[in-house]
Amino acid sequence: DTGVSQNPRHKITKRGQNVTFRCDPISEHNRLYWYRQTLGQGPEFLTYFQNEAQLEKSRLLSDRFSAERPKGSFSTLEIQRTEQGDSAMYLCASSAGQGGFGGEKLFFGSGTQLSVL
Amino acid sequence: DAKTTQPPSMDCAEGRAANLPCNHSTISGNEYVYWYRQIHSQGPQYIIHGLKNNETNEMASLIITEDRKSSTLILPHATLRDTAVYYCIVRSFKAAGNKLTFGGGTRVLVKP
Repeated sequence: DTGVSQNPRHKITKRGQNVTFRCDPISEHNRLYWYRQTLGQGPEFLTYFQNEAQLEKSRLLSDRFSAERPKGSFSTLEIQRTEQGDSAMYLCASSAGQGGFGGEKLFFGSGTQLSVL
Repeated sequence: DAKTTQPPSMDCAEGRAANLPCNHSTISGNEYVYWYRQIHSQGPQYIIHGLKNNETNEMASLIITEDRKSSTLILPHATLRDTAVYYCIVRSFKAAGNKLTFGGGTRVLVKP
């Protein structure tokens, strides 16, 4: 168990550029979540995968955001035409959920800190 | 998911027990109480969860009142490394579109 890995740890970009973040979940974890966290706030849910299927997307996830999880392994989160308001910590979490959600434990990565200039 | 209310901050002394309260008066029968914490510059870390019985693990104890409307997380011997933001979350185990919803949490400062 090497934990949830996120890359890069930090990303600085100019407004209007596209960025992509990667998340490698704990091996054999079938659920993967993306959250966003701004300074002083708790994490906010963005989207969730069960294996390769994206089952829910928050209204926070505008059409500039897209997430994929090909083959149910790693996941990528892409932001197109970045805006200054996209500056935040992007967190990934995985879990070994089976069936229901009772007692599900999420394991979070350390996040990717995005700064849009 | 039911909303939770936590004090925004609290201090505790190193080596002493830290008791973190959480109010979840609108909790329903299919909702668990979860606690996570977030140490600065890290992702949230699972601590413990419970449905209606008290629970204990190597990190903490969770005491849930009989009516389930409030709970207390107990860190038995707080250390400086326990300084973090602690989130109390209630989450349904059967709702479609299930997700952890974080509030503002309690900022805990453990002092020497």
